[in-house]
Amino acid sequence: DTEVTQTPKHLVMGMTNKKSLKCEQHMGHRAMYWYKQKAKKPPELMFVYSYEKLSINESVPSRFSPECPNSSLLNLHLHALQPEDSALYLCASSQDLTTDTQYFGPGTRLTVL
Amino acid sequence: GENVEQHPSTLSVQEGDSAVIKCTYSDSASNYFPWYKQELGKRPQLIIDIRSNVGEKKDQRIAVTLNKTAKHFSLHITETQPEDSAVYFCAVGDAGNQFYFGTGTSLTVIP
Repeated sequence: DTEVTQTPKHLVMGMTNKKSLKCEQHMGHRAMYWYKQKAKKPPELMFVYSYEKLSINESVPSRFSPECPNSSLLNLHLHALQPEDSALYLCASSQDLTTDTQYFGPGTRLTVL
Repeated sequence: GENVEQHPSTLSVQEGDSAVIKCTYSDSASNYFPWYKQELGKRPQLIIDIRSNVGEKKDQRIAVTLNKTAKHFSLHITETQPEDSAVYFCAVGDAGNQFYFGTGTSLTVIP
C-alpha cells in the first residue's frame, strides 16, 4: 500500500483561528515531509521529519508548527495565518532520508480569509 | 542549494506524437531524479525515476535519460494520449533526500 492520507481535504479559516492538518501513512516509512504548493508552482519544502525528529525547517514562519506524534502521523498546526498562506498543503513520506522515492498525499486545500 | 531548470514551461502535441521535457541541475553530487505528474487538483504522482548509476530507464511509453556529465535529464513520452495531459515536474534529490523541484511543464495532448 503506497498511500499517504491527509485530512481535511478542504479548510477555510480566519486569521485568528487555530487549526491542524493531519497526515498519516502505514507504509513503515521513517521520513515525512510537509510541502506548500501555490497554483501553477512546484511544491515548496517546509519541514522534514526523520525518525520522528525534525530534520529540516526551511525557514518557515512560526505560525506553522509541525508535530510528529509517532512514526505514522504528521501534523501541521496553524495559528494566526495570513491570506497569502492560502495554498495546497501536501504531505509526503519516504522510506528514510537516503535517496528514496517520496509518496505524496492528496493534500489539504487551505483558504485563509 | 540545488538549482533546477525545466523546459519547456508549456508543451502542446498531437495525440500519438512524442513529448520531451528536459531538466538541468547544478549540483554534481545529486543522485536521484524522479518525475511527477500532477493533474489539476490532484496530488503529484511519481511516474518514473532514475538514479545516478543508470543512464536510461523505460516503463512502457515513458522513459527517462540521464546525462550526469552534462547534468541534465529528460522525460520522454511516446504515443501520447489525451490522458497524458497534466503538469509534469522533475525533481532532483540530494544525499539527504531533500527534493528540489523544477518549475513544471504543462503538457496538453490534442485529440
